[in-house]
Amino acid sequence: NAGVTQTPKFRILKIGQSMTLQCAQDMNHNYMYWYRQDPGMGLKLIYYSVGAGITDKGEVPNGYNVSRSTTEDFPLRLELAAPSQTSVYFCASSSGQAFNYGYTFGSGTRLTVV
Amino acid sequence: GESVGLHLPTLSVQEGDNSIINCAYSNSASDYFIWYKQESGKGPQFIIDIRSNMDKRQGQRVTVLLNKTVKHLSLQIAATQPGDSAVYFCAENRGSNYKLTFGKGTLLTVNP
Repeated sequence: NAGVTQTPKFRILKIGQSMTLQCAQDMNHNYMYWYRQDPGMGLKLIYYSVGAGITDKGEVPNGYNVSRSTTEDFPLRLELAAPSQTSVYFCASSSGQAFNYGYTFGSGTRLTVV
Repeated sequence: GESVGLHLPTLSVQEGDNSIINCAYSNSASDYFIWYKQESGKGPQFIIDIRSNMDKRQGQRVTVLLNKTVKHLSLQIAATQPGDSAVYFCAENRGSNYKLTFGKGTLLTVNP
């Protein structure tokens, strides 16, 4: 199993540019999440989804958008990139029966906005 | 502020010693807790979890203890190895939709 796959691994954006961070999982998980991790900090929830067609805001949603058209994919869209969005972005998924398994995380996308 | 926090941001131990990483939480409604390990440049890796109706859970070389009275969670690593060097996060689930709230993390360094 590939688990959770994130692309790209690294990206440099100029202020005001837009991009989409891709996330795909092959475990048929209903729950998917986007987190950001700033240096020396824990992870903060940006958006999450409980199934195809259903998304909701997390703790820090401003400046981001998501969509969930299929169970497998959960892309994160950055519009008008700002330096404050420089961070490492992690996508995660869960079946909802997390006990003994936790959540499965991707390897992250390191984004720098200059 | 953070509702899930850690008492020590860094912990340095000798190889073979036992390690204890602590975590405090403030929401008594949290019903599920997870410990993650994050190595440099990688995503968080699941270590062990525990439900709020449990006090203790053991895995391979790891034990998680939950004290609901003082809202405290700890991760014990037995016979710590150099490969255990990483940042360790605790996370709590406070309600529906399984949204996790993470603490800042503790950096564990294992000296040979």
